Amino acid sequence: NAGVMQNPRHLVRRRGQEARLRCSPMKGHSHVYWYRQLPEEGLKFMVYLQKENIIDESGMPKERFSAEFPKEGPSILRIQQVVRGDSAAYFCASSPAGTGANVLTFGAGSRLTVL
Amino acid sequence: TQLLEQSPQFLSIQEGENLTVYCNSSSVFSSLQWYRQEPGEGPVLLVTVVTGGEVKKLKRLTFQFGDARKDSSLHITAAQPGDTGLYLCARLEYGNKLVFGAGTILRVKS
Repeated sequence: NAGVMQNPRHLVRRRGQEARLRCSPMKGHSHVYWYRQLPEEGLKFMVYLQKENIIDESGMPKERFSAEFPKEGPSILRIQQVVRGDSAAYFCASSPAGTGANVLTFGAGSRLTVL
Repeated sequence: TQLLEQSPQFLSIQEGENLTVYCNSSSVFSSLQWYRQEPGEGPVLLVTVVTGGEVKKLKRLTFQFGDARKDSSLHITAAQPGDTGLYLCARLEYGNKLVFGAGTILRVKS
């Protein structure tokens, strides 16, 4: 019973390149959340998705960042034209629908380094 | 969004000692969650508290939710090196959005 799977675990990009982070939720979970953890800061909410729908993207930067959770396949967080300030750990979490929706299971994170 | 303040920011103690970390806000929580995060890993949920005055125990960890539901504490008895990590409190907002405090880094030395 695999947990939330994120890949890659580590990603290095040069300024201006694109970063794609993937998240496969736990089996049976239909809700996916992305959080960002900057050095010396806490976890910050970015986006909440259900299959083929963005429910809440209030934490997403207005430019360069996008997220999707297609009908088939993992959720993807995409960062275009990365800058050094995007260097952070990006965590995905998932939860089931219904009464367990407020119990989030986090993945181990993807650590992005922008050179 | 009201901030969650956690204290202390950093705590270094010897194995066997007791400790308490705190989570405070100026506004009322509907519910509060505590997580532990180890280096290189994601946060792991420890407990959810919902009712004012509630006390929950998880082995050597005791979680308390303030009567007014504006504060919470985590007490660890006889700390062990395996307790080392970042302890985060988080408030659950509408739409399953978690608002985290900055955390308390705990180091237990053997």
